[in-house]
Amino acid sequence: GAGVSQSPSNKVTEKGKDVELRCDPISGHTALYWYRQSLGQGLEFLIYFQGNSAPDKSGLPSDRFSAERTGGSVSTLTIQRTQQEDSAVYLCASSLRDLLPGMAFFGQGTRLTVV
Amino acid sequence: GEDVEQSLFLSVREGDSSVINCTYTDSSSTYLYWYKQEPGAGLQLLTYIFSNMDMKQDQRLTVLLNKKDKHLSLRIADTQTGDSAIYFCAESKMNRDDKIIFGKGTRLHILP
Repeated sequence: GAGVSQSPSNKVTEKGKDVELRCDPISGHTALYWYRQSLGQGLEFLIYFQGNSAPDKSGLPSDRFSAERTGGSVSTLTIQRTQQEDSAVYLCASSLRDLLPGMAFFGQGTRLTVV
Repeated sequence: GEDVEQSLFLSVREGDSSVINCTYTDSSSTYLYWYKQEPGAGLQLLTYIFSNMDMKQDQRLTVLLNKKDKHLSLRIADTQTGDSAIYFCAESKMNRDDKIIFGKGTRLHILP
């Protein structure tokens, strides 16, 4: 596609439910990132996929968070048993590191509200 | 280690210059970036500089890099209300498996 697409754009869920957030990166981009941005907080790194390498999961805040990237393209971030502190905007980005390392293209984000 | 630090807030009067500062710890960083996030939007790459450069200018934007002190700054001349945003500093290396490291972002507030 023309840009990084995230869905849904908004999600309201009840505490304790599981949610799945989807990211469609730019076609051909080998790197994919997930970040979390809470109100008044900065950008919090969650997970990084690069080609066929093992993902860097060092930013996942708890074992309730997991992410997959199927076929080197679409990625799904799953939050199990959501808590109110999970409320945030979840941003996905992709990049083609052979082009310009660090030049990441961001989606518009998914705003998650846990009630 | 990997760490990029920025101050969280900056207030500047319209028409003045804004200077947003960033420090990083990884001396092997090859590329340094400034991203801009306008309200309700994702981040967009604003400008970048290679580590073998000291300065880069692009219209109202000037990026200064002090590699010895690991200090990066972004100067916005003649700050306008449209410059109101969060500005993120970021670093990366040439190694294809290395991820981009972002700072927490500096919120620039424009005073009338």
